[in-house]
Amino acid sequence: DGGITQSPKYLFRKEGQNVTLSCEQNLNHDAMYWYRQDPGQGLRLIYYSQIVNDFQKGDIAEGYSVSREKKESFPLTVTSAQKNPTAFYLCASSPPWSGPNTDTQYFGPGTRLTVL
Amino acid sequence: AQSVAQPEDQVNVAEGNPLTVKCTYSVSGNPYLFWYVQYPNRGLQFLLKYITGDNLVKGSYGFEAEFNKSQTSFHLKKPSALVSDSALYFCAVRSRNSGNTPLVFGKGTRLSVIA
Repeated sequence: DGGITQSPKYLFRKEGQNVTLSCEQNLNHDAMYWYRQDPGQGLRLIYYSQIVNDFQKGDIAEGYSVSREKKESFPLTVTSAQKNPTAFYLCASSPPWSGPNTDTQYFGPGTRLTVL
Repeated sequence: AQSVAQPEDQVNVAEGNPLTVKCTYSVSGNPYLFWYVQYPNRGLQFLLKYITGDNLVKGSYGFEAEFNKSQTSFHLKKPSALVSDSALYFCAVRSRNSGNTPLVFGKGTRLSVIA
């Protein structure tokens, strides 16, 4: 988990509220990713960003939004449009394309979101 | 399309016995293959990867994996299991030709090592 921080560790939200999950990395990685994990379903990609000020939708982007204003930060907002947001959210990053350990994604410790 | 299959939801093994966690993949072209481990309420930890070269890859904590191109498999192995190896294991793949795009993960296999 070193170098990638996610906050908070646990988050509770009332229905109808938007919440923002923080992801910060000090590894100088270009690419960052958000995954959602549900029991028995593995990891599903929400959004990813390969460079500052650019991001792409993943497989389950509906009801989520992101921004990438700084290389170090890739916050995820879970909007009220997300019908079933209770899950474990994982942020990851990977080194520059031409550098060592290219392709390896490194993960943060995760945020567990519960909708009450 | 890229995909990963982990055919076993759960693997049980006695401490000291060898363990195998299975993974098969589907990509166009040559693959990059990865194994990660996850402990409860934690993020994923990188174990090992196959990029090119020797088909037998050695990684952290005594784990190794063998790339088999003809069977499109990348099974994770360890000669002697420890109780502390009990965790959730994920296999992941990406095509070597797809640029710096996200990894595609399997659904995970829960390993339980019994003392």
